[in-house]
Amino acid sequence: GQSLEQPSEVTAVEGAIVQINCTYQTSGFYGLSWYQQHDGGAPTFLSYNALDGLEETGRFSSFLSRSDSYGYLLLQELQMKDSASYFCAVSQQGNFNKFYFGSGTKLNVKP
Amino acid sequence: EPEVTQTPSHQVTQMGQEVILRCVPISNHLYFYWYRQILGQKVEFLVSFYNNEISEKSEIFDDQFSVERPDGSNFTLKIRSTKLEDSAMYFCASSEGQNSLSGANVLTFGAGSRLTVL
Repeated sequence: GQSLEQPSEVTAVEGAIVQINCTYQTSGFYGLSWYQQHDGGAPTFLSYNALDGLEETGRFSSFLSRSDSYGYLLLQELQMKDSASYFCAVSQQGNFNKFYFGSGTKLNVKP
Repeated sequence: EPEVTQTPSHQVTQMGQEVILRCVPISNHLYFYWYRQILGQKVEFLVSFYNNEISEKSEIFDDQFSVERPDGSNFTLKIRSTKLEDSAMYFCASSEGQNSLSGANVLTFGAGSRLTVL
């Protein structure tokens, strides 16, 4: 089966940097995606890693270590609007259209 | 910006009743999905659909569930006889498929249909 672990909640102040970790166990790992979900809203795609290393997209970066079955989402220059839940999701080889989502990390950004 | 549209936004039904949730995926997308999210919990995969047939389904997607693409634009999820535990937010999503450069398969989600079973 698949399992993903994320911290349930993280709190940080505006302007700070926060890292949300995700460890996973899955057979035939292919890639790790990150989605953001505001309360009452739909998940929206943030980032994707299939290879080891860092992917940067503006204030957000995502990192993957396949050997450690570990990834993280890094949010810089935090803004109040970044308060949301963040989900990591894995996809499998030969099955790229089936995603397993983690339980999500609720990020609270305080002034 | 293209979006995935879902109706209804909220449906209340009695246990045992049939429910149909509707979705209009992004027009040039080829892959369609249903996910559900029980309040405060993770997003769970139900089913993926490609080329007019189910390509993957989860253990949750039992005989009570069915999907259909009745015409060129709509994608529906039917729950034949609803149970209390079917109460959840149901998200439709669509994607172009796997990007040839990045390998990413980016899902675009609709705003969801909240189902409440009484």
